[in-house]
Amino acid sequence: NAGVTQTPKFQVLKTGQSMTLQCAQDMNHEYMSWYRQDPGMGLRLIHYSVGAGITDQGEVPNGYNVSRSTTEDFPLRLLSAAPSQTSVYFCASSPTSGDRREQYFGPGTRLTVT
Amino acid sequence: AQSVTQLGSHVSVSEGALVLLRCNYSSSVPPYLFWYVQYPNQGLQLLLKYTSAATLVKGINGFEAEFKKSETSFHLTKPSAHMSDAAEYFCALRYGGYQKVTFGTGTKLQVIP
Repeated sequence: NAGVTQTPKFQVLKTGQSMTLQCAQDMNHEYMSWYRQDPGMGLRLIHYSVGAGITDQGEVPNGYNVSRSTTEDFPLRLLSAAPSQTSVYFCASSPTSGDRREQYFGPGTRLTVT
Repeated sequence: AQSVTQLGSHVSVSEGALVLLRCNYSSSVPPYLFWYVQYPNQGLQLLLKYTSAATLVKGINGFEAEFKKSETSFHLTKPSAHMSDAAEYFCALRYGGYQKVTFGTGTKLQVIP
């Protein structure tokens, strides 16, 4: 299993540009989520999904869109990038049943908005 | 509302010394608690988890944590620090049947030779 994969690893955007961060998992997990990590703030939940076709907002959703058309993929779209969105973005997945419901994380995407 | 507080954003220990990283939680129902480790430029890896089966939980790399309901704590310990333990550690809480996880702000562990 590849686990959770994210592309790209690094990205530089200009203010106002849009882009999509890709996330895929091959563990057949129902739950997927996006976090951003900023110094001193831990991980903050942006959006999450409990299955294909179902998404919801997390703690800091403004400026981001998500969709979940398949179990495997959960892309994060930045509509109009702003310098405040400079961060490291992590995608995570977990099953929704059973005892092993810990989250599995991707390697992250480091985004800089100039 | 559920929350997690990690005391100390930076902790320094000497190689071979005890590691103690503090985590307190707030939850109105029995929580599921986790410790994750993040090495530089990497994602988060699960160290250990508490799921109510046992209050003392052993994890990977010699770490363990004890769930203390009376103190609402889930501190992470390791008897003897190794240079390879230098990383950032996150305490996290999952609220009952929900899938959403709340993370603490992290503690960076420095190990001094």
